[in-house]
Amino acid sequence: DTEVTQTPKHLVMGMTNKKSLKCEQHMGHRAMYWYKQKAKKPPELMFVYSYEKLSINESVPSRFSPECPNSSLLNLHLHALQPEDSALYLCASSQGGLQGAQPGNTIYFGEGSWLTVV
Amino acid sequence: AQSVTQLDSQVPVFEEAPVELRCNYSSSVSVYLFWYVQYPNQGLQLLLKYLSGSTLVKSINGFEAEFNKSQTSFHLRKPSVHISDTAEYFCAVKGSGSARQLTFGSGTQLTVLP
Repeated sequence: DTEVTQTPKHLVMGMTNKKSLKCEQHMGHRAMYWYKQKAKKPPELMFVYSYEKLSINESVPSRFSPECPNSSLLNLHLHALQPEDSALYLCASSQGGLQGAQPGNTIYFGEGSWLTVV
Repeated sequence: AQSVTQLDSQVPVFEEAPVELRCNYSSSVSVYLFWYVQYPNQGLQLLLKYLSGSTLVKSINGFEAEFNKSQTSFHLRKPSVHISDTAEYFCAVKGSGSARQLTFGSGTQLTVLP
């Protein structure tokens, strides 16, 4: 079962709100990712967690704050976002972690959370 | 560094016609190649992948792709498309070492016309 579950599917928030996106996988994967995707564009990597530790931060603004409470869960906390942050946010996971993992390990994506900042 | 080029941003094709979506890559290390499909308003689904071995890989819904090292290509083909194949298709590459992150192409919108 290759399933990554994301909630909520849709989120509308004001620029002063604080909200969170949640992601869960039960495949035993130890690498988890957040991607941002604008319309008609490929996904852009934001963060990578490997064995619950933040391994990669692709120079993402601090108004996005990731959290990995355990090996199955990944959150993205949102605060003081801008309208240009409106996008599809995709969570993904892959087997093993980044270090020592086979580079060919497939990355499995969730259905995404559609975020609109007003 | 690695990169992926999808030569066609949009490919319209009539139902039951064959289609080829082109993908070329560049990398200084060994690569692993993937095709992902994104149906309207959905996330990305893995369509097929090349890791090693046979250079021709196939998906369960009739798509196939061939890894061509000399031409650095991984084109996606289907002999007869259906309306339900309408989607955005992304080619992606992963390398080893510092290039092990997934790098996507810009995507190809396949539109199957009745």
